[in-house]
Amino acid sequence: DGGITQSPKYLFRKEGQNVTLSCEQNLNHDAMYWYRQDPGQGLRLIYYSQIVNDFQKGDIAEGYSVSREKKESFPLTVTSAQKNPTAFYLCASSRRTGGDYGYTFGSGTRLTVV
Amino acid sequence: RKEVEQDPGPFNVPEGATVAFNCTYSNSASQSFFWYRQDCRKEPKLLMSVYSSGNEDGRFTAQLNRASQYISLLIRDSKLSDSATYLCVVNMGTGGFKTIFGAGTRLFVKA
Repeated sequence: DGGITQSPKYLFRKEGQNVTLSCEQNLNHDAMYWYRQDPGQGLRLIYYSQIVNDFQKGDIAEGYSVSREKKESFPLTVTSAQKNPTAFYLCASSRRTGGDYGYTFGSGTRLTVV
Repeated sequence: RKEVEQDPGPFNVPEGATVAFNCTYSNSASQSFFWYRQDCRKEPKLLMSVYSSGNEDGRFTAQLNRASQYISLLIRDSKLSDSATYLCVVNMGTGGFKTIFGAGTRLFVKA
C-alpha cells in the first residue's frame, strides 16, 4: 500500500543538538511538506517542496532546514537555532502543490527537548 | 482575526445525536475547502472536500457558504467512533499556495 513513512515516532533532543526527522513517500506525489503542530493550534507550515532539488520556506522556517534530493524523500533537520522545538511534526504529500486534492500525512514524530 | 476560525469545543453529545460544526474564513478569494479528522495523538486524515453545492458522504454532510464565508460539517446518528478532532482546512491559493489549517473542534460522543 502507498503511504508516507515518518521516523522516528519519538525523538528526544538535548539542548544545542541538531536532529533529523525522516520522511519517505511511495505515492509518486510531486509535492511534500513539513508541518508543526502545537497543542490548541492549527498546523503551521515549516517548508514545502514542489519538485526535486527545490524547496520553499513556510511560515515558521527559522531554525529548520530541509533537502529534496529524491522525489520520495524530504528529511527535516531541527537545528540548535530552533529555540522551542518541542512539538508534533507531520510530513505530508500531495499530488500537486497546494493540496487541492487533499494531503496524505505520515504518522508524525513527537520531538521533546530534554 | 484569524484566517480560519473554529469553535474549539469540546462538543459532548450522546450516541445517535446530530451535531454540527462551523468554520469561518477571512479571505474571500479562498478557493478550496476540506474537513480533516484527527484522532488523539495521530495524524490528520482527509474526511471530505467541501463543494459549493454541498456534498454528503454517508452520515456526514459538508456545506460551503461563500457569501458568509463559512463551511459547515454535519454529523448525523453520531457513533462512539466519531470522537475525534475535526480540522477545517482552507486553500487560499494566493500566489504560490497558502493552505490554512484551523485549530480544530473536539467532539466526544458518549454511550
